[in-house]
Amino acid sequence: GQNIDQPTEMTATEGAIVQINCTYQTSGFNGLFWYQQHAGEAPTFLSYNVLDGLEEKGRFSSFLSRSKGYSYLLLKELQMKDSASYLCASMDSNYQLIWGAGTKLIIKP
Amino acid sequence: IAGITQAPTSQILAAGRRMTLRCTQDMRHNAMYWYRQDLGLGLRLIHYSNTAGTTGKGEVPDGYSVSRANTDDFPLTLASAVPSQTSVYFCASSDREDTQYFGPGTRLTVL
Repeated sequence: GQNIDQPTEMTATEGAIVQINCTYQTSGFNGLFWYQQHAGEAPTFLSYNVLDGLEEKGRFSSFLSRSKGYSYLLLKELQMKDSASYLCASMDSNYQLIWGAGTKLIIKP
Repeated sequence: IAGITQAPTSQILAAGRRMTLRCTQDMRHNAMYWYRQDLGLGLRLIHYSNTAGTTGKGEVPDGYSVSRANTDDFPLTLASAVPSQTSVYFCASSDREDTQYFGPGTRLTVL
């Protein structure tokens, strides 16, 4: 079957670094997406990985290991506005996104 | 307009009533999607359309229907609403293999 696993909730301190992990198992693979979703709002695109390695985009980085079916999202210099849910999604062989339930990130001052 | 719009923003509906959720995009994307999002669950695909004139069933299609008469519009219809269809509904669009962009969502409550 198809499955995406990520932690339900994480807590971190303002100014610190946090890593949100995601493991995936899908029928075929056409890339791994990370989205951010603030409470009551729509998901917004953060990053896309299709090759192994680290993609850096400002304070956010995303890593992919295809052989391990594993990705992580790294958030540096955390700000209060980073409090949100982070959604991991794998694109399968039909180019459909299979979504994890999301990780709620709580930032404490 | 820019991006994707959805209407209504929220709706309270009596069980058994018919309801159409509207979605319009102006990015000329080929593919469009309808998801529902429930607490503790990931986004679940209801129906999708890879191009105007075609539609397909997602993970949870029962009780819902869609049409894609043109590139811009992708309405979702609940023929006879039931309380289990209480959810937040998101419409999204993409150039199929590319990033999906989401509308603001419709919060639907079926009583």
